[in-house]
Amino acid sequence: AQSVTQPDIHITVSEGASLELRCNYSYGATPYLFWYVQSPGQGLQLLLKYFSGDTLVQGIKGFEAEFKRSQSSFNLRKPSVHWSDAAEYFCAVGAGSGGYQKVTFGTGTKLQVIP
Amino acid sequence: EAQVTQNPRYLITVTGKKLTVTCSQNMNHEYMSWYRQDPGLGLRQIYYSMNVEVTDKGDVPEGYKVSRKEKRNFPLILESPSPNQTSLYFCASSLGPPTTRNTEAFFGQGTRLTVV
Repeated sequence: AQSVTQPDIHITVSEGASLELRCNYSYGATPYLFWYVQSPGQGLQLLLKYFSGDTLVQGIKGFEAEFKRSQSSFNLRKPSVHWSDAAEYFCAVGAGSGGYQKVTFGTGTKLQVIP
Repeated sequence: EAQVTQNPRYLITVTGKKLTVTCSQNMNHEYMSWYRQDPGLGLRQIYYSMNVEVTDKGDVPEGYKVSRKEKRNFPLILESPSPNQTSLYFCASSLGPPTTRNTEAFFGQGTRLTVV
């Protein structure tokens, strides 16, 4: 069975600083990996996804993530954080085949941005 | 406007009183899911549906039922709710299942359920 670990429950960064959110996954085959963002009181929005090919994936809102198979990681990065990036971020892995297709989310990392 | 609509947004009910949370999408998506979100646990998949009349258990299906009689609707049914089902529930849909390229999930706004 697949699993996702987000080791940081809460992260605080200054506006304009760089950001890296960590995500480690466990899955026996090639994973389908995602990062979602949840603003307060809202549903989730897809930031980016990885299926195959280039290990550096570009997403919306200036985010990118790098897939590292050797480390089983899919960390999310942004070079300069804006106050509007304050939200909760979830890493997820999609797995399965045929009629068996599940999504497993990590426990989330809450990002606080200070002026 | 493309969207996933859940109703109700807020619900307080008593233990054992059957309830249904509706979910409807207008994007002709095949894959639909229900999740519950609890503090410190993230989102956990309750049930999913690959298409009409095709549903399967996620990671936490106990105490829940679903049906998929039409492509656009995927209601979540709690036959006998208990306090441990107090949670924030999300419905999501995507064009394809999680291991395909058409797998961007669109989420509803959530339903906050309290069972007393």
